[in-house]
Amino acid sequence: KAGVTQTPRYLIKTRGQQVTLSCSPISGHRSVSWYQQTPGQGLQFLFEYFSETQRNKGNFPGRFSGRQFSNSRSEMNVSTLELGDSALYLCASSTGTGYYGYTFGSGTRLTVV
Amino acid sequence: TQLLEQSPQFLSIQEGENLTVYCNSSSVFSSLQWYRQEPGEGPVLLVTVVTGGEVKKLKRLTFQFGDARKDSSLHITAAQPGDTGLYLCAGGSGSQGNLIFGKGTKLSVKP
Repeated sequence: KAGVTQTPRYLIKTRGQQVTLSCSPISGHRSVSWYQQTPGQGLQFLFEYFSETQRNKGNFPGRFSGRQFSNSRSEMNVSTLELGDSALYLCASSTGTGYYGYTFGSGTRLTVV
Repeated sequence: TQLLEQSPQFLSIQEGENLTVYCNSSSVFSSLQWYRQEPGEGPVLLVTVVTGGEVKKLKRLTFQFGDARKDSSLHITAAQPGDTGLYLCAGGSGSQGNLIFGKGTKLSVKP
């Protein structure tokens, strides 16, 4: 059974640019959650999608957005990048909620210069 | 706002020693999970506990959920270099889909 696939693995962008990250969940999983991980703040919740609908949203500015497609694949977009957006972005999939645990992808390491 | 505090933040021990990592909150969680993360990779789920007072064992790892479901501990017996990594606890609430994560305990086990 294939795991959670995140692309790309590494990305370097310039301040002011925008970026799109992709996540393919485990087959059959309908929930996809996104987290930002930094050394100082740890894992912070961005948003969760279930069956193409955003079900929960964390406390991030509107520059962070996402969507989910009918095949459960999800994308997140960050516009007008800032230096502070440099982080490891993790995607996690589950069957319904995180109650019993997530399966995480390997993440996308975003560096903003 | 629900928060999970992990202690210690860093732990460096010799192979063969025992250790305990703690995860505490003032909030009640309906489920508590532990993950291990290695550099450059995503966290990997180790265990989920859902009942207050529950104890689960995974080889040399013992996980306990507090009676009041506000705290948890992870005990490792006879640590090995392969146990090195970042250990994260995460709390789940039945009313929300997302998990709240602690900031982690970075464990280094030296041979």
